[in-house]
Amino acid sequence: NAGVMQNPRHLVRRRGQEARLRCSPMKGHSHVYWYRQLPEEGLKFMVYLQKENIIDESGMPKERFSAEFPKEGPSILRIQQVVRGDSAAYFCASSPRADSNEKLFFGSGTQLSVL
Amino acid sequence: GESVGLHLPTLSVQEGDNSIINCAYSNSASDYFIWYKQESGKGPQFIIDIRSNMDKRQGQRVTVLLNKTVKHLSLQIAATQPGDSAVYFCAAITGGGNKLTFGTGTQLKVEL
Repeated sequence: NAGVMQNPRHLVRRRGQEARLRCSPMKGHSHVYWYRQLPEEGLKFMVYLQKENIIDESGMPKERFSAEFPKEGPSILRIQQVVRGDSAAYFCASSPRADSNEKLFFGSGTQLSVL
Repeated sequence: GESVGLHLPTLSVQEGDNSIINCAYSNSASDYFIWYKQESGKGPQFIIDIRSNMDKRQGQRVTVLLNKTVKHLSLQIAATQPGDSAVYFCAAITGGGNKLTFGTGTQLKVEL
């Protein structure tokens, strides 16, 4: 029973390029959450998705960032025209339900470095 | 809104001693709290949780205490081991759902 899988583990992009981060939730989980972690800081909520729906994107920057969780395949966090400030670790978590009884299980993250 | 903060950025303890990591939160409506452990290069790992209708919960070698009066919670690790070295985060949920607000973390260093 694989956990939350994220890829790539490390992603290097030059300023202006696009970054695509993938997250495959645990088997049976249909709720996905993306968090960003800057160096020596806690994780900050970005977006919450269910299959084919964005439920809460209150933590997403207004521009350049988008997320999707299609019916088939992994959830994708997409960052267009990356800037150095986007350099961070991006973590994905999944749960089978939306209520607060669930313990979120996190993936190992994608470390994005923008040159 | 909610902000969650920890008192110390770094805590050093001797192997075998007990560790206490503290956390303060700002929103009295927060009703669910979780402690996570994060090792270098890895994602947060669930340690223990507690609901606001409880003031203490115990797990294997870990205990979480919640003081709603002063909006404070702590994580106690008994007989700290080298493998406990990591950054520890408290996180809070307000009003249901799974949207976590994390603190900035405490680096626990276990000295042999």
